[in-house]
Amino acid sequence: QVQLQESGPGLVKPSGTLSLSCTVSGDSINSNSWWTWVRQSPEKGLEWLGEIYHSGSTNYNPSLRSRVTISLDKSKNQFSLRLTSVTAADTAMYFCVRVVYESDSTLFDYWGQGTQVTVSS
Amino acid sequence: EIVLTQSPGTLSLSPGERATVSCRASQSVSSTYLAWFQQTPGQAPRLLIYGASRRATGIPDRFSGSASGTDFTLAISRLEPEDSAVYFCQLYGSSRWTFGQGTKVEIK
Repeated sequence: QVQLQESGPGLVKPSGTLSLSCTVSGDSINSNSWWTWVRQSPEKGLEWLGEIYHSGSTNYNPSLRSRVTISLDKSKNQFSLRLTSVTAADTAMYFCVRVVYESDSTLFDYWGQGTQVTVSS
Repeated sequence: EIVLTQSPGTLSLSPGERATVSCRASQSVSSTYLAWFQQTPGQAPRLLIYGASRRATGIPDRFSGSASGTDFTLAISRLEPEDSAVYFCQLYGSSRWTFGQGTKVEIK
């Protein structure tokens, strides 16, 4: 059974950096999957932030590209999110997700339970 | 940027009835990348349908998806109380994944 678990600070100061990790169990970071971050807020709804492959290849949401970095820690079977220069608009529930791309479809099939991050002084 | 517009905002139906949720894309894209998710309070979204019409593992055949041009539909036949949730569509285009704003399905 694949499981993903987010971890990190629940409170970040404005202009600071949001850092979250996602620990994967039941699958390897080196598998043929893309490891993804999605966030959800009442104001913006669900928003795809970006993804990383085990090769280190990344894709980011163009609207956030200048502030987002996703990285891997293969020794811990984890991947991480870093979002810089945060504002109140970055307050959201953050989910890590496993994504499988097949020849004719894409599956966002396993999600973490989510972690709430609030940006406030 | 692709915009997905879902309708209606809320659907209130009785058990056993059929629910139909619509999702319209602002531009033409491949239905290969269209998915539907179900989300109940306090939970992460759950994949229901991918590739516009393929049910994910473990999803009952009461759930079905279809596509016609830029219009996509999720149908839930024979509603059950546990189907009470918010349903989202999702599509890939313009170098990003985009989600609809959600449709709340209430069971009377």
